[in-house]
Amino acid sequence: DQQVKQNSPSLSVQEGRISILNCDYTNSMFDYFLWYKKYPAEGPTFLISISSIKDKNEDGRFTVFLNKSAKHLSLHIVPSQPGDSAVYFCAASEGRGNNNDMRFGAGTRLTVKP
Amino acid sequence: ETGVTQSPTHLIKTRGQQVTLRCSSQSGHNTVSWYQQALGQGPQFIFQYYREEENGRGNFPPRFSGLQFPNYSSELNVNALELDDSALYLCASSLGGPGQNTEAFFGQGTRLTVV
Repeated sequence: DQQVKQNSPSLSVQEGRISILNCDYTNSMFDYFLWYKKYPAEGPTFLISISSIKDKNEDGRFTVFLNKSAKHLSLHIVPSQPGDSAVYFCAASEGRGNNNDMRFGAGTRLTVKP
Repeated sequence: ETGVTQSPTHLIKTRGQQVTLRCSSQSGHNTVSWYQQALGQGPQFIFQYYREEENGRGNFPPRFSGLQFPNYSSELNVNALELDDSALYLCASSLGGPGQNTEAFFGQGTRLTVV
């Protein structure tokens, strides 16, 4: 039962343009959402998060948007840089206190071309 | 650098054997969790410990067990290994406790291969 879905396995964008990574979820009890990026041979690295009481959170070049009615969130990276090339995972957790019980999507491989 | 280290980085075991994977969390991080990541998939939650007690478990059989120690280290034990247990095992720690949403910091993982 995949509660978090990333339907695009890969995305390729030109350096300097915007990258938009999408994520859908099915569990309406999720109230905290996170994005992680992963380089080969490394563990996932936290990127940005958003609570369900917000619809947008911004941190430098990274912005996460949350649409609760559509059960959809997206990560915007602008401008994209070659160093952003990695696999990006969307994750979600419920507010029942098991804060590390995150459900992950399958990931989207982002390639930023110089 | 997340401050979370795992050992060993790679391991090969035979079906039916038992394995222990280790994790050292950041000082002060009372919550640790373990994930299994199969090839081409996202990490799947195995279980979580808070102050040495298990307080959450995913859809994994009892042959997956864990321990958390007062010195912020933890272990994942898997008994009766099966071929499908071959995966990357990730440890993650966080500062927050139950009811607190904080980001988790991952180690680099242990690649387990069962033959």
